[in-house]
Amino acid sequence: AQSVTQLDSQVPVFEEAPVELRCNYSSSVSVYLFWYVQYPNQGLQLLLKYLSGSTLVKGINGFEAEFNKSQTSFHLRKPSVHISDTAEYFCAVSPTNAGKSTFGDGTTLTVKP
Amino acid sequence: DTAVSQTPKYLVTQMGNDKSIKCEQNLGHDTMYWYKQDSKKFLKIMFSYNNKELIINETVPNRFSPKSPDKAHLNLHINSLELGDSAVYFCASSQAGGLYGYTFGSGTRLTVV
Repeated sequence: AQSVTQLDSQVPVFEEAPVELRCNYSSSVSVYLFWYVQYPNQGLQLLLKYLSGSTLVKGINGFEAEFNKSQTSFHLRKPSVHISDTAEYFCAVSPTNAGKSTFGDGTTLTVKP
Repeated sequence: DTAVSQTPKYLVTQMGNDKSIKCEQNLGHDTMYWYKQDSKKFLKIMFSYNNKELIINETVPNRFSPKSPDKAHLNLHINSLELGDSAVYFCASSQAGGLYGYTFGSGTRLTVV
């Protein structure tokens, strides 16, 4: 079984500032890691994923995330946010031996002018 | 070309009615899912089908019944609708056990009055 904890339910930030959305997980098996974004009144869209290899992964819209195995974390970062990044962000894990994904409770990112 | 399409997008109905939501994917994925998102944005998996076979059946009232006529379609039928069923229902699909992440539909907002 696995669980996902998104440490901040809401993150307000000013435009062009950097942002980090934090995600910790626990699992008894190896997992793949994902970040999804949900814009208002839309479905979830895959931002990026970590399967193996380099622990720093780059995704769409200038986002990146770093996998830290020892700390079981997969934090999402962007060096400079835009108003259009305002959305709900979900961290998720999937066992490598197939099975359902487990989603975190989401972090609401609000970018203010 | 919409990858995962759900109909209807909005559904307003009275308590006690029976309604269905349809989902189709044109990605050639082998697994499809139904998720429920509540007003706090929490995502909860309901069902999953792999090649028309039910593989995940979470603790969901038996008023909810999924049906997969083929691997490209997954429908959700709800009997005797209750106020607490009001939520956004998302269909999703994946390949290879979710290795590459999920593709979500745009959601069906169900309001029971």
